[in-house]
Amino acid sequence: NAGVTQTPKFQVLKTGQSMTLQCAQDMNHEYMSWYRQDPGMGLRLIHYSVGAGITDQGEVPNGYNVSRSTTEDFPLRLLSAAPSQTSVYFCASTKGKTGVGYGYTFGSGTRLTVV
Amino acid sequence: TQLLEQSPQFLSIQEGENLTVYCNSSSVFSSLQWYRQEPGEGPVLLVTVVTGGEVKKLKRLTFQFGDARKDSSLHITAAQTGDTGLYLCAGGLSGGSNYKLTFGKGTLLTVNP
Repeated sequence: NAGVTQTPKFQVLKTGQSMTLQCAQDMNHEYMSWYRQDPGMGLRLIHYSVGAGITDQGEVPNGYNVSRSTTEDFPLRLLSAAPSQTSVYFCASTKGKTGVGYGYTFGSGTRLTVV
Repeated sequence: TQLLEQSPQFLSIQEGENLTVYCNSSSVFSSLQWYRQEPGEGPVLLVTVVTGGEVKKLKRLTFQFGDARKDSSLHITAAQTGDTGLYLCAGGLSGGSNYKLTFGKGTLLTVNP
């Protein structure tokens, strides 16, 4: 029961570099999402996907790209890293509609520092 | 935009004390969920409530959903050091946003021995 797996756990980037944060789930969940967590700001939604081939923007999408080629994988790409993207990033998935009570399963996070 | 306000933001108590954490909104939610997050880890789902007025108990934790489905509370009885963590409430909606969750900013609870 791996759940949601995120890699890497820690990463340091230089300003302007690009990288991909990996997220994989083995629960056959259709819905996946990416959040960033910053002190005093809570969890903010970056991008989400309701199924393979379907993605959409959350509240803070600028500077990030996503794709969903399979049900299992939902990578997050930083195009040109900026210090403002220093944060802890969480991937989450859910089996069903939150409105009827389905909850999220979160990965353990990626702590990213941009210098 | 639906917002969830949590209070207090920080709470430090002694082991054995009782406490209540609040989650309030001006919007109606179809469900209200509570998560606990420990340092270096992702949030973990504790409970989901979906009916106005619903009360759920999980050992020493009692969760309540307001009658109007705009607020919720988490009560911990006889807190233990293992209860230390960040408690997050999150609201779920029906309709077009029915896979999304709106999160509060959290209550950081420290239980001292």
